[in-house]
Amino acid sequence: GAVVSQHPSRVICKSGTSVKIECRSLDFQATTMFWYRQFPKQSLMLMATSNEGSKATYEQGVEKDKFLINHASLTLSTLTVTSAHPEDSSFYICSARDSLSPYNEQFFGPGTRLTVL
Amino acid sequence: QKEVEQNSGPLSVPEGAIASLNCTYSDRGSQSFFWYRQYSGKSPELIMSIYSNGDKEDGRFTAQLNKASQYVSLLIRDSQPSDSATYLCAVNRAGTALIFGKGTTLSVSS
Repeated sequence: GAVVSQHPSRVICKSGTSVKIECRSLDFQATTMFWYRQFPKQSLMLMATSNEGSKATYEQGVEKDKFLINHASLTLSTLTVTSAHPEDSSFYICSARDSLSPYNEQFFGPGTRLTVL
Repeated sequence: QKEVEQNSGPLSVPEGAIASLNCTYSDRGSQSFFWYRQYSGKSPELIMSIYSNGDKEDGRFTAQLNKASQYVSLLIRDSQPSDSATYLCAVNRAGTALIFGKGTTLSVSS
């Protein structure tokens, strides 16, 4: 149980294009999902908290107009990197919290490696 | 500012030894404590969770929590080369995002 999927696993795009990343909780409902970014040899950085049916909460320094988050159902959140630039190249990882669990456990997806040329 | 501190390492242990990973946190209101393992180029994997003071054992892993000292640790018995990874400590309050430490790199030599 507690499986989170992400798609695509890897994407290469040209500068200026937009990229959508999907995060799905496969066997549980997740009213809250989280989006992280990790640069090589650095720690995880929380970008935003995605709540089903409401606007995402962004961390300080993260541009909400550049990183669009939609959490339209209890099992799906999407992150769209708009007008991507080479500095957006990173490892993007989502996590989901089981809505019915009292233990606040978060389960991570396998990540999406974005390369912007 | 809420923080989670870990020694970055690397922590090097020989195969079969006990690896001890430590973590301290600043928020006394923290309620849940987690250890994640992250292999290079992969996403974190939850390996242990603990919510009350004391020890919790799961196979070769033991998590220890001391809320008075704001300290949580992970012991790995009979360490294997496959345990070589970065171990992330994370804490949170109910309903909030996890706060991660920067991780400790463990290297187990055969």
